[in-house]
Amino acid sequence: DGGITQSPKYLFRKEGQNVTLSCEQNLNHDAMYWYRQDPGQGLRLIYYSQIVNDFQKGDIAEGYSVSREKKESFPLTVTSAQKNPTAFYLCASSMGGAPNQPQHFGDGTRLSIL
Amino acid sequence: AQKITQTQPGMFVQEKEAVTLDCTYDTSDPSYGLFWYKQPSSGEMIFLIYQGSYDQQNATEGRYSLNFQKARKSANLVISASQLGDSAMYFCAMREDTGRRALTFGSGTRLQVQP
Repeated sequence: DGGITQSPKYLFRKEGQNVTLSCEQNLNHDAMYWYRQDPGQGLRLIYYSQIVNDFQKGDIAEGYSVSREKKESFPLTVTSAQKNPTAFYLCASSMGGAPNQPQHFGDGTRLSIL
Repeated sequence: AQKITQTQPGMFVQEKEAVTLDCTYDTSDPSYGLFWYKQPSSGEMIFLIYQGSYDQQNATEGRYSLNFQKARKSANLVISASQLGDSAMYFCAMREDTGRRALTFGSGTRLQVQP
């Protein structure tokens, strides 16, 4: 089945450690996105990519980095510079150009500090 | 400035009744889209319904309909014949057709359906 796969489902980070969240899609979508969700709140945009080898910062990019070397993959690295990384991270993709195309989401990764 | 406002942190509805979840938005872009998503306790985001800024008719998808009032900048979600499985968080989101084209989300409404 076509969809978006995020891994791992749960992740723990030690102080000073970088961790990478995986996001893979087989929907042949051009655009991919990373969001952060804190408890009881809405989603906030971290980074997005409209095309391979190109990506832009969202509203809360500090302490995060991404790459888009393949159309199918958009990994997110949470660096040690992100002082409050505990949150639920959601990856999404969409067809891109058409404004009526909804974003499809993965099942998310819950990141916690050890 | 808040672009998407959902003023109801929590709502209760009796099973089989209809419920309206409020959403107002703010944009100067003449072309935009409005989306509603459902998030069950398991965390996944489920797309429910879409309304384009130029659409003349309100969108409907099964038991979901969108009450779109462009002049008031509101896009309320109506769920008819509520079911127990409708209990979840509901998010309104907007995508502007200029600029980054990513979704901006509201803070959500937690809906609880009571038997």
